[in-house]
Amino acid sequence: DAGVIQSPRHEVTEMGQEVTLRCKPISGHNSLFWYRQTMMRGLELLIYFNNNVPIDDSGMPEDRFSAKMPNASFSTLKIQPSEPRDSAVYFCASNRDSGNTIYFGEGSWLTVV
Amino acid sequence: DQQVKQNSPSLSVQEGRISILNCDYTNSMFDYFLWYKKYPAEGPTFLISISSIKDKNEDGRFTVFLNKSAKHLSLHIVPSQPGDSAVYFCAAPVPGNYKLTFGKGTLLTVNP
Repeated sequence: DAGVIQSPRHEVTEMGQEVTLRCKPISGHNSLFWYRQTMMRGLELLIYFNNNVPIDDSGMPEDRFSAKMPNASFSTLKIQPSEPRDSAVYFCASNRDSGNTIYFGEGSWLTVV
Repeated sequence: DQQVKQNSPSLSVQEGRISILNCDYTNSMFDYFLWYKKYPAEGPTFLISISSIKDKNEDGRFTVFLNKSAKHLSLHIVPSQPGDSAVYFCAAPVPGNYKLTFGKGTLLTVNP
């Protein structure tokens, strides 16, 4: 079975540019999570969707960040405009019915210069 | 406010020896704990979990111990193998909440 699929794996962009990260959750999973990993803060939950509806976006750092889930098999995380401090690894994860174990994608490595 | 803490950023052990990774938590409402393992350039993968109704859970070379009174859990790997070299995260879901709170991780290096 395919796991959580993220794209791009690596992105290098200039400050001020728009960045869009994409995620396809595991088929049949109805919860989707976006996490960000940095050295200073570890793994932080940015936003959580259940049945395609955003339930909690309190972890989204600021208005430059937005996320959508137009259907059960696709989600995007957008940063506009991007800043160097946004450089991090962004993970998408999914699970079924908000169970305890979540399954991560391989991450999108973002560098903003 | 770090509710799950891994105070050792790194640990180095010899192949064949025991690796002990520690995790402390502050929220007494936590009733389930998970360990994730992360290799470089990959996402975290689920390794083992324990419910608060138990004090030990074993899966092959991996054993997790839970001390509820001390709000402490540990992951034991015996015997350690070079392929175990990775970052290990301790995590807990807040009861009644979907959020999985992670520690900052411990980098384990197993030397041949």
